[in-house]
Amino acid sequence: KAGVTQTPRYLIKTRGQQVTLSCSPISGHRSVSWYQQTPGQGLQFLFEYFSETQRNKGNFPGRFSGRQFSNSRSEMNVSTLELGDSALYLCASSEGQLATEAFFGQGTRLTVV
Amino acid sequence: EDQVTQSPEALRLQEGESSSLNCSYTVSGLRGLFWYRQDPGKGPEFLFTLYSAGEEKEKERLKATLTKKESFLHITAPKPEDSATYLCAVRARRGGSQGNLIFGKGTKLSVKP
Repeated sequence: KAGVTQTPRYLIKTRGQQVTLSCSPISGHRSVSWYQQTPGQGLQFLFEYFSETQRNKGNFPGRFSGRQFSNSRSEMNVSTLELGDSALYLCASSEGQLATEAFFGQGTRLTVV
Repeated sequence: EDQVTQSPEALRLQEGESSSLNCSYTVSGLRGLFWYRQDPGKGPEFLFTLYSAGEEKEKERLKATLTKKESFLHITAPKPEDSATYLCAVRARRGGSQGNLIFGKGTKLSVKP
C-alpha cells in the first residue's frame, strides 16, 4: 500500500509570492491534515479536511488556505509569502474524521528568500 | 489548554545503555496518545497508539506506556540506528483542539557506538 505522497519535496520562493503544495493520502483514507514544522515552534496544526470540508483550523493567518478534492487529495496554499513561512510542511492521512492514527508524508521543505 | 511537554530535550546514550523518554500531557479527554520517530528532513514515522491508562505497546527495542498524566517511551539496549527525534502527540475528545494532533517539541536521541 502506497504511503502519503507530498509534492514537491523542495521549494524556494520569494517574499510576496504564493505557493501551492499537494498531498495524496493513503488509498482509502478520507481525512487529510496539514502541519507546519519549524525548529522553534515544533509541529503546529494548520487545518483538517474530511470529505472535501474543512473540519478544523489552527491559529494561522488567512494567508494559509487549503482544499480537498473528491478523490481525497488535498492542496495547501500560502499567499503573500513571508520569510517566517519557511518551514517543513507536513501532510497527515487518516482513515476517517475521528480516526486516531495519522500517517505522515515526507513533507515539503519551503524556503522563502 | 491542551498541551504536551516532552523531556529531556536531548539525550545521549551509549550503545546498549537503556533509558526512558517522558511525555506529560494535559488534554480535555484523551482520544489517543501517539509516539512518532522523525529522522532529519523526513516526515514523522508512526510508532504506537495508546488509548487508556495502563496500556503498553512494544516494538523491537521500544516499549510505550501510559498513565493518566504521562507516557514513557522505554528504549532497551539501544543501537546507533535508534538515533532520531521522538515525538509525542495527543488527540483530544473535547474542546477547541478536538480532532487535531497536539505535539510536544520532541526528544532528540543520539546513540553512540
